[in-house]
Amino acid sequence: NAGVTQTPKFRVLKTGQSMTLLCAQDMNHEYMYWYRQDPGMGLRLIHYSVGEGTTAKGEVPDGYNVSRLKKQNFLLGLESAAPSQTSVYFCASLTTDSPPTFGSGTRLTVV
Amino acid sequence: DAKTTQPPSMDCAEGRAANLPCNHSTISGNEYVYWYRQIHSQGPQYIIHGLKNNETNEMASLIITEDRKSSTLILPHATLRDTAVYYCIVRAFGGSQGNLIFGKGTKLSVKP
Repeated sequence: NAGVTQTPKFRVLKTGQSMTLLCAQDMNHEYMYWYRQDPGMGLRLIHYSVGEGTTAKGEVPDGYNVSRLKKQNFLLGLESAAPSQTSVYFCASLTTDSPPTFGSGTRLTVV
Repeated sequence: DAKTTQPPSMDCAEGRAANLPCNHSTISGNEYVYWYRQIHSQGPQYIIHGLKNNETNEMASLIITEDRKSSTLILPHATLRDTAVYYCIVRAFGGSQGNLIFGKGTKLSVKP
């Protein structure tokens, strides 16, 4: 089915460990986004990409890195996880003529 | 910063219309208004969008003021399943705007 797929759906990390979250879309969308959502809060933009090979910082980029080597994939990396990065992470994609489509989220706990 | 402001919470009786307001006083001429909702911790779900004319689909109606500085999402017959957080965002359609900032949304509680 067409859409945005996030992997993994759940993950528990120890403080200081690293990991990569994958967002994949099969709609040929140019724009892709990573958000985090803390309990009772709205969505906050971490990083985004307006095309293959390009990335830009959002509202809360510190502690995260991203890469967009292929148009369909947007990777979010945590080099040294901290408990403050415990959150639900959402990916979204869109093209210039469509509303954003969101993935189902990745629930990350850092202990 | 988000370009929209919404009340933090609203209540609505089941079966009645839910009217959710959004202020976007700095909206540009080429920016559309989008509405999304999020149930529990699921991914946000698209509801409706519009530029300047009122819009209606199977889920909701969108009323945009003539000066485009505010809008209202209408759920005509709210059900318990409409309890969710509703987000109003603005974005240029067909443009090169990169970032997509969400505000804090309105938590709608539909009560029996």
